Amino acid sequence: GQQVMQIPQYQHVQEGEDFTTYCNSSTTLSNIQWYKQRPGGHPVFLIQLVKSGEVKKQKRLTFQFGEAKKNSSLHITATQTTDVGTYFCPIIQGAQKLVFGQGTRLTINP
Amino acid sequence: SQTIHQWPATLVQPVGSPLSLECTVEGTSNPNLYWYRQAAGRGLQLLFYSVGIGQISSEVPQNLSASRPQDRQFILSSKKLLLSDSGFYLCAWSTLGANVLTFGAGSRLTVL
Repeated sequence: GQQVMQIPQYQHVQEGEDFTTYCNSSTTLSNIQWYKQRPGGHPVFLIQLVKSGEVKKQKRLTFQFGEAKKNSSLHITATQTTDVGTYFCPIIQGAQKLVFGQGTRLTINP
Repeated sequence: SQTIHQWPATLVQPVGSPLSLECTVEGTSNPNLYWYRQAAGRGLQLLFYSVGIGQISSEVPQNLSASRPQDRQFILSSKKLLLSDSGFYLCAWSTLGANVLTFGAGSRLTVL
């Protein structure tokens, strides 16, 4: 089935620095979702991207879906300690399965 | 509004003992239900999903099983736990066609 590679696997930044994580697929995706999991918590849905070249913003978070619908990125401007966690970009396989990868774990030095 | 309940939150079990984790969803009908497992510091592995009562799809062959005795109830079981079954078990639901998952708080299992 379809798989996505998410990079980097780990990222440590100083508070106030920007952060970007990327998801890359070898095949065209119908859509892509982003979730955030705080340490010790459960994943929480952030956003879904559907259209080619789509860009969506949530405060300091910017989500982008590539023109070819094979990649996506999440960019956080001026990170805060509340941004700590693991970010996932699962994809849909078949009609009902949502498949998660390893995610990108973000840690922040205050 | 919809809510998802998962229990127990934490459990420590000896190798070879049985397991039962329960998940219920309120405020919606005919949800898709999912069980994921997350090993420490790792990604989420899809174990089972269900699109209706009695309909279970297994993703990973192992000593775990799932059942859906009622529309909004999803149970994860094992007859004999292995050390490798330790992990964070997450139940989730979505509506048909939407595929956006809402997760429960999780059950942290340690097998000793």
